[in-house]
Amino acid sequence: DGGITQSPKYLFRKEGQNVTLSCEQNLNHDAMYWYRQDPGQGLRLIYYSQIVNDFQKGDIAEGYSVSREKKESFPLTVTSAQKNPTAFYLCASSIRAENTEAFFGQGTRLTVV
Amino acid sequence: AQSVAQPEDQVKVAEGNPLTVKCTYSVSGNPYLFWYVQYPNRGLQFLLKYITGDNLVKGSYGFEAEFNKSQTSFHLKKPSALVSDSALYFCAVRDMPTGRRALTFGSGTRLQVQP
Repeated sequence: DGGITQSPKYLFRKEGQNVTLSCEQNLNHDAMYWYRQDPGQGLRLIYYSQIVNDFQKGDIAEGYSVSREKKESFPLTVTSAQKNPTAFYLCASSIRAENTEAFFGQGTRLTVV
Repeated sequence: AQSVAQPEDQVKVAEGNPLTVKCTYSVSGNPYLFWYVQYPNRGLQFLLKYITGDNLVKGSYGFEAEFNKSQTSFHLKKPSALVSDSALYFCAVRDMPTGRRALTFGSGTRLQVQP
């Protein structure tokens, strides 16, 4: 069954801790993306990767880090430098052609306690 | 830089009536435009896209969208709304060939279809 899997669905973090969100896809897509969703602000791009071992900062990369060591995986680490990490995080993937849509995972809701 | 505006935070329509969710865009080149729908606590589902050609694009679940280059708009429409259409709708753009390869999203419009 093809798709994008994000885990966990809910995540709680204490202030000052780093936490890593998982994103795996079996669609054989080259490109992967991380977005953050806050109420009333839509989706904002954190990082994206067009190919293995390469990634670019999006609009709100500060306090986040990523890696792209494998084609199917694009984990996102929320570091203690991110001042307001509580949000809904969405991972997506697509083929590299510019006219194609992105496919989204079901999201991870991160709450800082 | 590419950007998208959804001027309405919320749209309310009665079931069976036509619906329109508005979207305007700003790009430096030619736009690729997309509509997505999101149900509570879920990811986004793709509805339709405009790449080139016919200005009226048909998509999933009876939705369609009209591309208007002179007004830089890409409004989502459906002739007869269903209660099950109630959800959050996002417009997105990719500016080609010179823009960023990732999609840029609008702030979303919450559609409420009343029985």
